[in-house]
Amino acid sequence: GDSVTQMEGPVTLSEEAFLTINCTYTATGYPSLFWYVQYPGEGLQLLLKATKADDKGSNKGFEATYRKETTSFHLEKGSVQVSDSAVYFCALSAGAGSYQLTFGKGTKLSVIP
Amino acid sequence: EAGVTQFPSHSVIEKGQTVTLRCDPISGHDNLYWYRRVMGKEIKFLLHFVKESKQDESGMPNNRFLAERTGGTYSTLKVQPAELEDSGVYFCASSPGPRGEQFFGPGTRLTVL
Repeated sequence: GDSVTQMEGPVTLSEEAFLTINCTYTATGYPSLFWYVQYPGEGLQLLLKATKADDKGSNKGFEATYRKETTSFHLEKGSVQVSDSAVYFCALSAGAGSYQLTFGKGTKLSVIP
Repeated sequence: EAGVTQFPSHSVIEKGQTVTLRCDPISGHDNLYWYRRVMGKEIKFLLHFVKESKQDESGMPNNRFLAERTGGTYSTLKVQPAELEDSGVYFCASSPGPRGEQFFGPGTRLTVL
């Protein structure tokens, strides 16, 4: 079945550091790929998405590129802020009649001043 | 516009008891999803409603779980009788269409003692 593997956390970075959170997937067909973020005490929010190979999703300084050849969708940000502290989830939707999201385990990011 | 709301935010019950979780989706969203995150594991899909009909309930773990969405508005998820392994965070999400962004609620944390 479909699955998502993302790097285990927690990850602790200093403010203005570069962030990479790795995500790889296994799916049949051509899934859509997502990054969701959960800030403390809140629900999951869609951060960015990509629906086909080589698409780049971007939002709030975060970027991820859909790489079909490596089945990856790594999340990057050039300079993190304390307000980016949250749990980040990589997810896919297989489509083709199945609209459920398949999630990775989540990566907790803490950014210290 | 109000987001997805869930009630209660926390519930602590004893093994064998019954618990009912409620989800109010964003007004006008026909699609409603339930997910669950067990401690340390991935967020897992439970089921998907389109209006009041169950579109996909392939993720429901067993017949102790009963989901309803009478009238196509709010939804309830009943666990009866609850077991220790049911502990976790239950998320609800809604979307206007099956391919649209899923908007998540803050979750209900269920603890079964």
